[in-house]
Amino acid sequence: DAGVTQTPRHEVAEKGQTIILKCEPVSGHNDLFWYRQTKIQGLELLSYFRSKSLMEDGGAFKDRFKAEMLNSSFSTLKIQPTEPKDSAVYLCASSLEQGAAERLFFGHGTKLSVL
Amino acid sequence: QQQVRQSPQSLTVWEGETAILNCSYEDSTFNYFPWYQQFPGEGPALLISIRSVSDKKEDGRFTIFFNKREKKLSLHITDSQPGDSATYFCAARSANSGTYQRFGTGTKLQVVP
Repeated sequence: DAGVTQTPRHEVAEKGQTIILKCEPVSGHNDLFWYRQTKIQGLELLSYFRSKSLMEDGGAFKDRFKAEMLNSSFSTLKIQPTEPKDSAVYLCASSLEQGAAERLFFGHGTKLSVL
Repeated sequence: QQQVRQSPQSLTVWEGETAILNCSYEDSTFNYFPWYQQFPGEGPALLISIRSVSDKKEDGRFTIFFNKREKKLSLHITDSQPGDSATYFCAARSANSGTYQRFGTGTKLQVVP
């Protein structure tokens, strides 16, 4: 069952480092999302792509966060430079644009710890 | 500004009881409201959803009640089971935002045997 695949599952970084998180969406899905999950804020949108075009980016995250869709089946989220406050779970999700399939399919997430 | 709000933050019920999770929103263009269930170490997964044209949606032990006028909805879990212990997220989507969904901060439910 090829769901959303995220790698790595865990990442530990020193403050100031650059880290790259990876995501493979469900095959055939044309919408891709990056969310950050924390206990206080819940799920916050980082980026939303439709057919590889950036539709929305979380305004508060623009300066150090950059998501890209290199092709329809692969996306990366770069955080540069990392800060301790970036410690969170980063979730990737995909969806079909149309039809009754309005659910988001999520990956297991990448847990990032910044020391 | 949190456009989707959930309460309580955490909830503990005994096995067999009904758990009630609340959600409210501000944007009147929201017309689709999915609820996601998340277990530790996993991503959220769709549990049940409702469209704004309906006031109730039932799926087994899970029921959504929707009040469009008050911009409120609730998820009722009847005959709660220990396996229902998870975090539940209310989300909302508007017709003009593609598949983008805004999420609440979640309710952590614990069902005690």
